[in-house]
Amino acid sequence: GEDVEQSLFLSVREGDSSVINCTYTDSSSTYLYWYKQEPGAGLQLLTYIFSNMDMKQDQRLTVLLNKKDKHLSLRIADTQTGDSAIYFCAEMASYGKLTFGQGTILTVHP
Amino acid sequence: GAVVSQHPSRVICKSGTSVKIECRSLDFQATTMFWYRQFPKQSLMLMATSNEGSKATYEQGVEKDKFLINHASLTLSTLTVTSAHPEDSSFYICSAPTGTGGMYEQYFGPGTRLTVT
Repeated sequence: GEDVEQSLFLSVREGDSSVINCTYTDSSSTYLYWYKQEPGAGLQLLTYIFSNMDMKQDQRLTVLLNKKDKHLSLRIADTQTGDSAIYFCAEMASYGKLTFGQGTILTVHP
Repeated sequence: GAVVSQHPSRVICKSGTSVKIECRSLDFQATTMFWYRQFPKQSLMLMATSNEGSKATYEQGVEKDKFLINHASLTLSTLTVTSAHPEDSSFYICSAPTGTGGMYEQYFGPGTRLTVT
């Protein structure tokens, strides 16, 4: 079955880069996602990457995909206090259905 | 990005009553929507796939008679929690893929916090 794993916590200083890592098991994953969730809110789609790509950059966000190792990462450059939130990676294997990791709590210190 | 709304944002109900949660795609049509459930400090678990004009598809372990799903139009899906019990208290979130991006561009609603007393 599908399984997605993330580290649970990450703490960084404001202005530093944050790197959140994710591993998945389903080799048939077509798309991989990063979502952001602030307290009491829904999920905000940050970015996604198709499985035949190895990198995608969108402003401060860089996604790296190592399909061989089934490893996905999200790098946030110049991390700000407003970036503090829970970050979920997710993979789509079955049509439209997403399997989520446990979420990484990112804390940004001034 | 595309906008998905949910109503209500919070609801408190008594044990044994039923609660209806609405999910709307505001600026696009969605023939398919998904319902997820999130327990405190946990991840999202897919409950069911809502299909416009046909029956919903439920994930293993989800009681279809308890969680009734109706996809009445191309912009509205409803989840009704019947005979709610305290263990049904959770955060319910819907998602909808946009037509322009295909099924791979999915947007989530803001969620509904259900508390059953």
